[in-house]
Amino acid sequence: GQQLNQSPQSMFIQEGEDVSMNCTSSSIFNTWLWYKQDPGEGPVLLIALYKAGELTSNGRLTAQFGITRKDSFLNISASIPSDVGIYFCAGQPTTSGTYKYIFGTGTRLKVLA
Amino acid sequence: GAVVSQHPSWVICKSGTSVKIECRSLDFQATTMFWYRQFPKQSLMLMATSNEGSKATYEQGVEKDKFLINHASLTLSTLTVTSAHPEDSSFYICSARGGAGGYEQYFGPGTRLTVT
Repeated sequence: GQQLNQSPQSMFIQEGEDVSMNCTSSSIFNTWLWYKQDPGEGPVLLIALYKAGELTSNGRLTAQFGITRKDSFLNISASIPSDVGIYFCAGQPTTSGTYKYIFGTGTRLKVLA
Repeated sequence: GAVVSQHPSWVICKSGTSVKIECRSLDFQATTMFWYRQFPKQSLMLMATSNEGSKATYEQGVEKDKFLINHASLTLSTLTVTSAHPEDSSFYICSARGGAGGYEQYFGPGTRLTVT
């Protein structure tokens, strides 16, 4: 199926550093969701974005709905070891009549203590 | 709030048998549920969209006769893998549409299926 371009694919960072990742698409989206998935578990919703330009925070996490409606960004400040996992973006195309989301390819984050 | 459960969390079955996986929204009603399949180190692949009281809509390439989906109530959807084969071994995850705006998807913990 269709997938979003998510980058970087993986990253190793030192504890305490800030992290940035993004998703881009050729289509316009109505909604962006960001998830974190730990091994062997289902994704957990981190942040939901509904309007172009919207900037939303959840603790150390901040996500933005790109002004063009074709991209979204997730930032993690002052990373800690438990931030390790795979982060997925998910976008709902304007043409999605059944609330289907398209998922990004994932960003695998590893934090070095 | 917005908790989704799945049962079983893992299952091992013999080739040729059928396996049923349940997905429940515990504290909200979900008119729409989704079933995904995930291979190791890959993203989630949508298999089908399930609406309460109606037939599921399958994604292209997903065999509807092999992956039977039933959404009998606003809190329960089931996926039955019929005549399972080793290539059906995978991580199956359901999600339910809910949340304040109604556009969020909440995922279950997933079911690891191994077919021997």
